[in-house]
Amino acid sequence: KQEVTQIPAALSVPEGENLVLNCSFTDSAIYNLQWFRQDPGKGLTSLLLIQSSQREQTSGRLNASLDKSSGRSTLYIAASQPGDSATYLCAVITGANNLFFGTGTRLTVIP
Amino acid sequence: NAGVTQTPKFRILKIGQSMTLQCAQDMNHNYMYWYRQDPGMGLKLIYYSVGAGITDKGEVPNGYNVSRSTTEDFPLRLELAAPSQTSVYFCASQGDLGDYTFGSGTRLTVV
Repeated sequence: KQEVTQIPAALSVPEGENLVLNCSFTDSAIYNLQWFRQDPGKGLTSLLLIQSSQREQTSGRLNASLDKSSGRSTLYIAASQPGDSATYLCAVITGANNLFFGTGTRLTVIP
Repeated sequence: NAGVTQTPKFRILKIGQSMTLQCAQDMNHNYMYWYRQDPGMGLKLIYYSVGAGITDKGEVPNGYNVSRSTTEDFPLRLELAAPSQTSVYFCASQGDLGDYTFGSGTRLTVV
């Protein structure tokens, strides 16, 4: 069974810092990898989707990379802002109906 | 573009009562899913559907039922509510690229 781990579990940084969130998965036979953010008491907002044939995706201050062979993905957030505070979830998609979520990283950006 | 719409946002049920959680998507996605998220825990798959008229059980289907009479709608029914069903329920659909779109959730409390 696919297992997805995110490190660190929690992270606090001062505003303006660049940061990296890590995601690792045990089975490299994936279809896609998707990063989400979840605000307290809210739903999941999709940030970036990386298809298995891609190495990275960028959206604004966010950049996600994927290394299937090593079972790793990173989410890079540039110039962090207090509004970036949320829980970030990595999800590995191995096919229809097969979505495996990571444990999440709770990010706090301190003004 | 509304995406995935869930109603209601909040509901309190008494033990033994029944209710239907509504989910609708306007993206013409064939694949739809119901998840539950317990406090501090990850998402668990309840039921899923690969198209109108087709549904199947996920990881935690007991106590729930679903139907999929149209592509757009995927309601989740609780027949005899139990305290163990207190949770946040998320509906999601999956696009052609394999990306997931989630609704904003229904927070259910059974007392």
